[in-house]
Amino acid sequence: EDQVTQSPEALRLQEGESSSLNCSYTVSGLRGLFWYRQDPGKGPEFLFTLYSAGEEKEKERLKATLTKKESFLHITAPKPEDSATYLCAVPVYNQGGKLIFGQGTELSVKP
Amino acid sequence: SQTIHQWPATLVQPVGSPLSLECTVEGTSNPNLYWYRQAAGRGLQLLFYSVGIGQISSEVPQNLSASRPQDRQFILSSKKLLLSDSGFYLCAWSVLNLGRRASYEQYFGPGTRLTVT
Repeated sequence: EDQVTQSPEALRLQEGESSSLNCSYTVSGLRGLFWYRQDPGKGPEFLFTLYSAGEEKEKERLKATLTKKESFLHITAPKPEDSATYLCAVPVYNQGGKLIFGQGTELSVKP
Repeated sequence: SQTIHQWPATLVQPVGSPLSLECTVEGTSNPNLYWYRQAAGRGLQLLFYSVGIGQISSEVPQNLSASRPQDRQFILSSKKLLLSDSGFYLCAWSVLNLGRRASYEQYFGPGTRLTVT
């Protein structure tokens, strides 16, 4: 069964303290892995797509990497404005583009 | 550029009342459309998706229904709301590109916060 698991559930960092979020997946044939950012009371905002093991994408202080079993979202020298819930998702084969989402990691960055 | 709208932004409804949430997409044609619910916590539960006008797939049997009367319009409805229908409802769109590198990204609207009292 296709499955996506994120860890940790919550992460508290001091401003400038780098860390990583994990997304483990089990799918029958990966067709992309997506990262989203969600602020409280808002819809998820698309960040990255990764397609194959070894691929990396960067945006400001965020870097997403992908292996055959998991993806990492590395946050370098975070700022308070990086506080949000980060979600990862993978598509299910041949089901109209349906995505399976992880439960998310709630990141809090304190000044 | 593409834009997705949802309304209303917030809604408070009594148990047993009807519901109609609307989602519209601009700037794209023949999108796939999706309705999600996000209850307490962070998980997104897919409720319905549509690959075309009048084509609706239901993921979870429940008190809700969906319709797609126009290419870029998606409506979520209920005849009688339950307390358990409270939550944050999100609409999303995607345009599948099944070329050499298929594209499945979904883009979300701002959401509707529904409270059933």
